[in-house]
Amino acid sequence: DIQMTQSPSSLSTSVGDKITITCRASQDVRNFLAWYQQKPGKVPHLLIYAASTLQSGVPSRFSGSGSGTDFTLTISSLQPEDVATYYCQKYNSAPFTFGPGTKVDIK
Amino acid sequence: EEQLLESGGDLVQPGGSLRLSCAASGFTFSSYAMTWVRQAPGKGLEWVSSISGSGDDTYYADSVKGRFTISRDNSKNTLYLQMNSLRDEDTALYSCAKVAGYCSSGGCYWYFDYWGQGTLVTVSS
Repeated sequence: DIQMTQSPSSLSTSVGDKITITCRASQDVRNFLAWYQQKPGKVPHLLIYAASTLQSGVPSRFSGSGSGTDFTLTISSLQPEDVATYYCQKYNSAPFTFGPGTKVDIK
Repeated sequence: EEQLLESGGDLVQPGGSLRLSCAASGFTFSSYAMTWVRQAPGKGLEWVSSISGSGDDTYYADSVKGRFTISRDNSKNTLYLQMNSLRDEDTALYSCAKVAGYCSSGGCYWYFDYWGQGTLVTVSS
């Protein structure tokens, strides 16, 4: 099965900063990659699918890129409401595996 | 408005069984594949199982294959997860989610666009 990794596992930065989270698949998943945001105590929400397509209603400061095995989620200007754990998920085939998550906090 | 409401979570002893339900509303249930995802306390998301809209196609994580069975009743707009031979490591919040994506001759390409609040399963003696 394809394994998913994310880096960093956590980061703490300032409001307004640009942050980048990396997701890596152990094999080619083409562009079948989604990103989710889970705020503390809340259910996950879909941010991005097809590696770079923003889900309806998601702020434009979020963007995704990549294809094959290497992907990134970028927040162009971090806001206080972006404090959350972010997960990637590959969906080129079952199992629809999630990455281990990246926890984002505000300094 | 789409709604997913899980129920059935409980404290159960190792080796026991439990059936979870997920009642859906606000969308044409039979037109969408559905999935179960779990999250152990303080841990990340783990995909458990998915089922096509018709119920004809099912998929399972290796960790639950042979012990869990996903099913659906489209007449009742309800998704189920029958869990047998439960283990300590099955302790988690179990959430159902509506599937987005599509299937083709190459396979099914499913991600999850709406999640329920979850129901807690605790396996302990």
